[in-house]
Amino acid sequence: SQQGEEDPQALSIQEGENATMNCSYKTSINNLQWYRQNSGRGLVHLILIRSNEREKHSGRLRVTLDTSKKSSSLLITASRAADTASYFCATGGGNKLTFGTGTQLKVEL
Amino acid sequence: EAGVTQSPTHLIKTRGQQATLRCSPISGHTSVYWYQQALGLGLQFLLWYDEGEERNRGNFPPRFSGRQFPNYSSELNVNALELEDSALYLCASSSGQGNQPQHFGDGTRLSIL
Repeated sequence: SQQGEEDPQALSIQEGENATMNCSYKTSINNLQWYRQNSGRGLVHLILIRSNEREKHSGRLRVTLDTSKKSSSLLITASRAADTASYFCATGGGNKLTFGTGTQLKVEL
Repeated sequence: EAGVTQSPTHLIKTRGQQATLRCSPISGHTSVYWYQQALGLGLQFLLWYDEGEERNRGNFPPRFSGRQFPNYSSELNVNALELEDSALYLCASSSGQGNQPQHFGDGTRLSIL
């Protein structure tokens, strides 16, 4: 079963624009992670945010977490064509990960 | 540092056959996880192995099984293959400690004809 839903399901933007995708989850968490998946390949870990953190940055990525609303957002700034991929949020960690449904991001030149 | 490696990249089988998928974790990682990514069903947790023991299992039938070897590599076995087993099977590893990310391999694409 999927822990959460991601919104939007698909997003198409121009290179240089910012992309924001949201994730909602159902149960209380210790941390939330974001992953990227290029077409048909494995997942690349992007960032982990702990439940006691509200915001975290990594390069062009900014993740926020609102545990009261059980939601998280991933912002990619100054997007590039190479950012075209599916993005998943996941909860869990040391045990198993439960993934959201994913957002398909397309960055056009 | 080598990442998680999976073999084979592709595997084609027919209904009723058995498939074996292999995974080598990142050096130093003791936990190995298996996930299934089937079309329309998303990423589903299959199995978790740590220190050679099965620690947790997802909602899959017993014909999905596996093991972890003393060098922490792992095998996933799927018996009596069915058409709906066609999927990308992803292996991940982690240090097994809390709040540590899982690192994924590129997967094995299993196709059932």
